[in-house]
Amino acid sequence: GQQVMQIPQYQHVQEGEDFTTYCNSSTTLSNIQWYKQRPGGHPVFLIQLVKSGEVKKQKRLTFQFGEAKKNSSLHITATQTTDVGTYFCGYGGATNKLIFGTGTLLAVQP
Amino acid sequence: ETGVTQTPRHLVMGMTNKKSLKCEQHLGHNAMYWYKQSAKKPLELMFVYSLEERVENNSVPSRFSPECPNSSHLFLHLHTLQPEDSALYLCASSQAGEQFFGPGTRLTVL
Repeated sequence: GQQVMQIPQYQHVQEGEDFTTYCNSSTTLSNIQWYKQRPGGHPVFLIQLVKSGEVKKQKRLTFQFGEAKKNSSLHITATQTTDVGTYFCGYGGATNKLIFGTGTLLAVQP
Repeated sequence: ETGVTQTPRHLVMGMTNKKSLKCEQHLGHNAMYWYKQSAKKPLELMFVYSLEERVENNSVPSRFSPECPNSSHLFLHLHTLQPEDSALYLCASSQAGEQFFGPGTRLTVL
């Protein structure tokens, strides 16, 4: 079946540095979603990408969907301590289900 | 508040106990989900209900039994659990798109 690998598993940055997490699939994805989970919290939806090559921005966050729709990235410019958490990608399968990647835990040192 | 509530928020149970987790969504969504989140593991999809019918069961042990009496309520009945079942159990709902997660139930099996 489809597998989505997310890298890195963990990233520690100094506040103000940039951060990127990648999702890579072995097969073409119909869409991809990104979620953020704060420590002790629950996943919260950030964005959904559907089109090949799509790029969307939310303030300091930039989301990309690859041309072949097999990979996606989330880039954070000038990280802040409020960015701490685990970032998950997820792709939509049949019957409304969503398959999540392994997640990237971001730690930001002030 | 995401419109998805879960009770209890914390649960400690012995291996011979029977307990139930409850999830309620106030968003009018037609699909509901149970996920298991263990330390250092990705979110594991357990069950999917769409229009109150179970449409996905990811080979979850029979000691976990879901129930969806209507589109707003979802239960997870637990019996004779094992210590390795200790985890955060998350409920989510969706309407063919982003998923809204509840705060989760932190379960500890002694």
